[in-house]
Amino acid sequence: QSVLTQPPSASGTPGQRVIISCSGTGPNIGTNFVNWYQQFPDTAPRIVIYHNDQRPSGVPARFAGSKSGTSASLAISGLQSEDEADYYCGAWEDSLNGSFYVFGTGTKVTVL
Amino acid sequence: QVQLQQWGGGLLKPSETLSLTCAVYGGSFSGYSWSWIRQPPGKGLEWIGDITDSAAANYNPSLKSRVSISVDTSKRQFFLNVTSVTAADTAVYFCGRGRRVSTWGKGTTVTVSS
Repeated sequence: QSVLTQPPSASGTPGQRVIISCSGTGPNIGTNFVNWYQQFPDTAPRIVIYHNDQRPSGVPARFAGSKSGTSASLAISGLQSEDEADYYCGAWEDSLNGSFYVFGTGTKVTVL
Repeated sequence: QVQLQQWGGGLLKPSETLSLTCAVYGGSFSGYSWSWIRQPPGKGLEWIGDITDSAAANYNPSLKSRVSISVDTSKRQFFLNVTSVTAADTAVYFCGRGRRVSTWGKGTTVTVSS
């Protein structure tokens, strides 16, 4: 099964900008929208970016998504302590046998 | 506002069948797809599959042979069955709404152990 590749960890001090990458292939990121999820320990994930760069209502403007080719990025500007969490990208993958959803490997963001 | 409430699972023995239910409260049921996702202890998210309100399903190719997802629109519920479970199926299982999984259930823990 295809997965999307993310760095295992990222960190920054309060106020800094952190960027998380998500690398895929043509049939997934190269063809379809990318979504991003935030997950705190022992809780369900919540979506923070959909359709590459759209923020759901209630998500702070310091979260921004982008996509280029077969890669995507999530940027967190003005990092805050409450942003410390795991982040996952996700996208649909199209194959000859049908479509399925793939998640990234996950990135743990630490606020120093 | 839509809420997803899930139940089932618990402690299973190897080779048994895992069965979970997710009920949808509030919001629209039709016009959306409904997903199952799992997360093994200390690991990342794995998409299991989804189903539309017209019962068209997509499955993760790595699980397809053991997984079945069904839906009951009259009850606003959808279901997951995983046959022949092993320890590798031990995980927190989440249900979700939409192709981008914009809404998540709280999760239910499934442990497979002899």
